[in-house]
Amino acid sequence: DAGVIQSPRHEVTEMGQEVTLRCKPISGHDYLFWYRQTMMRGLELLIYFNNNVPIDDSGMPEDRFSAKMPNASFSTLKIQPSEPRDSAVYFCASSGAGVNEQFFGPGTRLTVL
Amino acid sequence: AQKITQTQPGMFVQEKEAVTLDCTYDTSDPSYGLFWYKQPSSGEMIFLIYQGSYDQQNATEGRYSLNFQKARKSANLVISASQLGDSAMYFCAMRGEGGATNKLIFGTGTLLAVQP
Repeated sequence: DAGVIQSPRHEVTEMGQEVTLRCKPISGHDYLFWYRQTMMRGLELLIYFNNNVPIDDSGMPEDRFSAKMPNASFSTLKIQPSEPRDSAVYFCASSGAGVNEQFFGPGTRLTVL
Repeated sequence: AQKITQTQPGMFVQEKEAVTLDCTYDTSDPSYGLFWYKQPSSGEMIFLIYQGSYDQQNATEGRYSLNFQKARKSANLVISASQLGDSAMYFCAMRGEGGATNKLIFGTGTLLAVQP
């Protein structure tokens, strides 16, 4: 079975540009999570969805960040405009209803110059 | 408020020996779940083991076991017979409180180095 798929794996962009990160959760999973990992702040939950509906976006740092889940097999995290402090590894994870663990994707390493 | 604390930034262990990675937590919820994840240098997050607060026995998964001491609010990970491939960052995590039980709150991690 394919795990959580994220693209791109690496993204280098310039300050002010729009960045879109993509995630395909494990088929059948009802929950999708977006995390950000930095040296300074560790692993932080940005937002999560249940059945394509955003449930908690309290971790989204500011209005420059937005996330969508148009269907059960696809989600995007968009940063517009990007800033150097957004440089981090962004993980997508999914889990099924009644399942304890979350399964993580390989992450997208974002560098904003 | 919930909190996960990992007090060991780094640990060394000799190959084939056992090692314990510490994790303490704080929560006001009577029902909660605790997790350990491994992050090797390649960057992916790998689920290792789960312990529910009402589980009667400590969780075990192969060489991994969780030393769950509820009264002390600790959930230490024990790795037996360490292997070179165990060198990685290890994160303790807890399920969110109240209506946020699908969220995971992560500790700061412990970097484990297994020496030959």
